Parts: sequence; structure tokens; C-alpha cells
Amino acid sequence: KNQVEQSPQSLIILEGKNCTLQCNYTVSPFSNLRWYKQDTGRGPVSLTIMTFSENTKSNGRYTATLDADTKQSSLHITASQLSDSASYICVVSRNSGNTPLVFGKGTRLSVIA
Amino acid sequence: EADIYQTPRYLVIGTGKKITLECSQTMGHDKMYWYQQDPGMELHLIHYSYGVNSTEKGDLSSESTVSRIRTEHFPLTLESARPSHTSQYLCASTPNPDRRAEAFFGQGTRLTVV
Repeated sequence: KNQVEQSPQSLIILEGKNCTLQCNYTVSPFSNLRWYKQDTGRGPVSLTIMTFSENTKSNGRYTATLDADTKQSSLHITASQLSDSASYICVVSRNSGNTPLVFGKGTRLSVIA
Repeated sequence: EADIYQTPRYLVIGTGKKITLECSQTMGHDKMYWYQQDPGMELHLIHYSYGVNSTEKGDLSSESTVSRIRTEHFPLTLESARPSHTSQYLCASTPNPDRRAEAFFGQGTRLTVV
């Protein structure tokens, strides 16, 4: 079954600290993996997108990694800020005709002062 | 800046009313999606489309219907709203094929049925 599992479900960290969010997937055939940030009450906004040949991609303080062999991805946030408080969603696309995106349940991150 | 728009942003209606949630994108994307999301919970796919005159039901059973008469528009209709339909509805689009393309999301419609 095509699934995306994210951990932890929720996370609380102090401002300025680093954190890493995990995403494991069983989606096949794999096309690409995206990380999204969703603020409360808003639509998700893309942070990174990676295909199977890409191991790491950065977007400011966000760095995503992808291991296509183990089907694992991580999102590392450096020097967290209060504005990083949001849900972070891992989304995998299948390389198989007209099939929808597969969403993880997200990790709820709270950054506190 | 994503060129995908949802209206209305907020809607409060009475039980039994018919409503249509609008979603429009100006990027020429073939693929469009509707998701339902309760507060603090994950997104659930309720409908998707891969082009004009193509619509499919998603993973979550929904009493809503959709249409795709034009590439730009993907409206979602509830024939008779109920309190159980209270939720946030998010529309998204991607090009086809979407190998490296980003999925763009609208800001959502927060629906409350009283």
C-alpha cells in the first residue's frame, strides 16, 4: 500500500535550537518527494522538492535529505524561530500515470521562547 | 506566489443549504485536487481531476461533487450541507506530468454548517 509515515507526530523545541523531522514512505514507483509547511488555518507552502537522484536540498534554514534506497527523508531546521511553528507535511508523488499525491499526516512543530 | 485562488475564504451556512466552493488557477495546470482538513489533523483527499471532463473520488468518502468543465476551474458542491461537513477545504493543482513540479495550494475555505 502506498503510504507516507512521519515522526514525531508533534515536537516542542526552544527558540534557536535545531530539530529534525522524519518521513518514511512505501510509495512506488517513486517520482518525487516534497516537504510543505502549513501555518494554522492556511494552505501548505512548498519548502523543497527532490527526485530520486537528489540526496540533499536546502532552502534557507531548511535542509531536506532523501535516501531513495531506504525510502527515508528528513527535514532539518537550523536555529529555529518562533515563526517556524507550523505543521510540516511530507508528500510523495508516484511515477505512475494519473495517480494522486500521497500525504503524510504531518509533524506539528511548536517553537517556544 | 501561487496563482490558485479559493472563494469564499470563510462561510457559515445553515443545514440543508446548497453551496459551491470555488477554486481557480491561472497556471494552466492539468491536475487539480480537493482536500478536507479538520483542525490539527491531516489532509484527506476527497476529489481529484487530471484534466477537463475527468474527475475521480479520493480516499475519503464525501457527499460532495465536483466538475471540471474548464482547465482553470474545479468547483466543489454540497447539495445539502450538514454540520458534519464543517471543516477546512483546500484546493491544489500541479502540472501533468509533475516530475519536478510543485503542488500549489489555495488558502482554503473554512466552512461552518450550523
